[in-house]
Amino acid sequence: AQSVTQLGSHVSVSEGALVLLRCNYSSSVPPYLFWYVQYPNQGLQLLLKYTSAATLVKGINGFEAEFKKSETSFHLTKPSAHMSDAAEYFCAVRLSSNDYKLSFGAGTTVTVRA
Amino acid sequence: DTGVSQDPRHKITKRGQNVTFRCDPISEHNRLYWYRQTLGQGPEFLTYFQNEAQLEKSRLLSDRFSAERPKGSFSTLEIQRTEQGDSAMYLCASSRASGTANYGYTFGSGTRLTVV
Repeated sequence: AQSVTQLGSHVSVSEGALVLLRCNYSSSVPPYLFWYVQYPNQGLQLLLKYTSAATLVKGINGFEAEFKKSETSFHLTKPSAHMSDAAEYFCAVRLSSNDYKLSFGAGTTVTVRA
Repeated sequence: DTGVSQDPRHKITKRGQNVTFRCDPISEHNRLYWYRQTLGQGPEFLTYFQNEAQLEKSRLLSDRFSAERPKGSFSTLEIQRTEQGDSAMYLCASSRASGTANYGYTFGSGTRLTVV
């Protein structure tokens, strides 16, 4: 069963426009949720994480995400896109406190138009 | 904190050859993870260690794959009799044992394997 679903494999936005990347998870218990960014031929960099504290999580580079239990969602947003935001973004979930591995979504590639 | 280091960054090998990758985690992290990422996909979990103990292995880890972490520090991932389907980016990550959720996971830059 797919633990993490990222809606939209590719998102194109204009510079200065809102970036919205969608992530839904399946878990019967409150999960730990993460967003990572990957630039070409590089590893993954953590943008932000939800660990059962505040439902609105602020991360690096102006990104934030909101955990909505009722919708089993953890969508990533940034109010104003910058050219440097062009990358691939992955949502990941750690399904329980006893499960230490991360399960990743398939990723969303963001392109930013000048 | 020098981050997670992986060596080599790139490896091209002929089908049927054996390859070995190395990962050096952040020194105070006692959990170490291996993932595989194919083009256009998210990383897939392969295995993880707590100190020197290998605690979980994915069914993706066929008998041609073996991972070790002999002294609880660096880890190696060996692939025997490589196949073209093994071509992928192999990512290593590390984390603290306690408070993993709060501290997160740190990934290395990966080893890109191409089997020709």
